[in-house]
Amino acid sequence: DTGVSQDPRHKITKRGQNVTFRCDPISEHNRLYWYRQTLGQGPEFLTYFQNEAQLEKSRLLSDRFSAERPKGSFSTLEIQRTEQGDSAMYLCASAKTGNYGYTFGSGTRLTVV
Amino acid sequence: DQQVKQNSPSLSVQEGRISILNCDYTNSMFDYFLWYKKYPAEGPTFLISISSIKDKNEDGRFTVFLNKSAKHLSLHIVPSQPGDSAVYFCAAPSSLMNNNAGNMLTFGGGTRLMVKP
Repeated sequence: DTGVSQDPRHKITKRGQNVTFRCDPISEHNRLYWYRQTLGQGPEFLTYFQNEAQLEKSRLLSDRFSAERPKGSFSTLEIQRTEQGDSAMYLCASAKTGNYGYTFGSGTRLTVV
Repeated sequence: DQQVKQNSPSLSVQEGRISILNCDYTNSMFDYFLWYKKYPAEGPTFLISISSIKDKNEDGRFTVFLNKSAKHLSLHIVPSQPGDSAVYFCAAPSSLMNNNAGNMLTFGGGTRLMVKP
């Protein structure tokens, strides 16, 4: 069990650029979540996958955001035309069916300048 | 609409003393609660949980108390150690609308605990 891996750890991008983050969940976990955390706030739910199916999206996830989980393994989160308000820590988590608790990755910190 | 609130953004205690972190919730449908600890530049890690059928759950130095009538829970750390310095989040799971088998966690805003040697 190598935990949940996220790449990159840090990303600085210019406003208007596209960015993509990757998450590798724990291998036997069929559920995968993306959360966003801004300074002084708790993590906020963005989207949820069960295996390869994206089953839920928060209204926080604007049209500029897209997430995929091909083959039910790793997941990617893409942000198009980044804005300064997108600056945050993007957290990925995975869980087994039936478990309330998640295992989080270390996150990708995005800074949009 | 903040369904889970942690009203104290920070708490400072002396090493060896008790740390008490508080959390309030508004959604009476919540029936399970979790506490996570987060160090800088790391993701949150699970600490302890409690089901609404209990009013107390203990794990070593950590105890969580649940008062359902007050919609309040607290995390006690005794004795506090400098390594406990971190941000603590309480969270509650709720079913996702489109799939009852999934759940999302609603987090409070966190409390930064500083344990002074």
